[in-house]
Amino acid sequence: QSVLTQPPSASGTPGQRITISCSGGSSNIGSHNVYWYQQFPGAAPKLIIYRNDQRPSGVPDRFSGSKSGTSASLAISGLRSEDEADYYCLAWDDTLGGRVFGGGTKLTVL
Amino acid sequence: EVQLVESGGGLVKPGESRRLSCAASGFTFSNAWLTWVRQAPGKGLEWVGRIKSKADGGTADYAAPVRGRFAFSRDDSQKTLYLQMNSLTVEDTGIYFCTTAVSGADYWGQGTLVTVSS
Repeated sequence: QSVLTQPPSASGTPGQRITISCSGGSSNIGSHNVYWYQQFPGAAPKLIIYRNDQRPSGVPDRFSGSKSGTSASLAISGLRSEDEADYYCLAWDDTLGGRVFGGGTKLTVL
Repeated sequence: EVQLVESGGGLVKPGESRRLSCAASGFTFSNAWLTWVRQAPGKGLEWVGRIKSKADGGTADYAAPVRGRFAFSRDDSQKTLYLQMNSLTVEDTGIYFCTTAVSGADYWGQGTLVTVSS
């Protein structure tokens, strides 16, 4: 049970815009940056959003991040079949004294 | 080209110890903060901890489940990161990844599988 709560699953159709939420508290998202990772089966994770809303070079601008208060969101617009993957949020937690991942969200493109 | 290669995984019995290595190349290792992340079979990602560069103090932060049992160390001359795991339990089973950020991009190794079972 992570201190960062994500929905276990999300789905959308090609071309659609979907959002994945990451809910935390004042000791984590409320006072620290949020990072988002994409992971395909059998592969290492890949950073797609850093410092709440920044995209690393090479990540399509279809991916965007936002943060408000103690929650963060990852949005994917123009959904594609190749976006089907697991997505994780990550933030530092002052109470735990380390970083913590959300439980992950499995995105299905219908 | 930045590369991270983990090694040292395998089958260990509960209560035993194991040391993992992460060999790095393609970047200035001594300046890097390095992180371990693990993933139990079929489960999500779990942050294990990180070690700072010596210039930034060289200290380490550990996730609560491994604090006091795991220890990170680094050999900057060999460009290698180590994870010493003691008092292993079945809950420590998983793929262990090392990761770092270089010039704004993040890099991950392929991971090494540790299986704790009697």
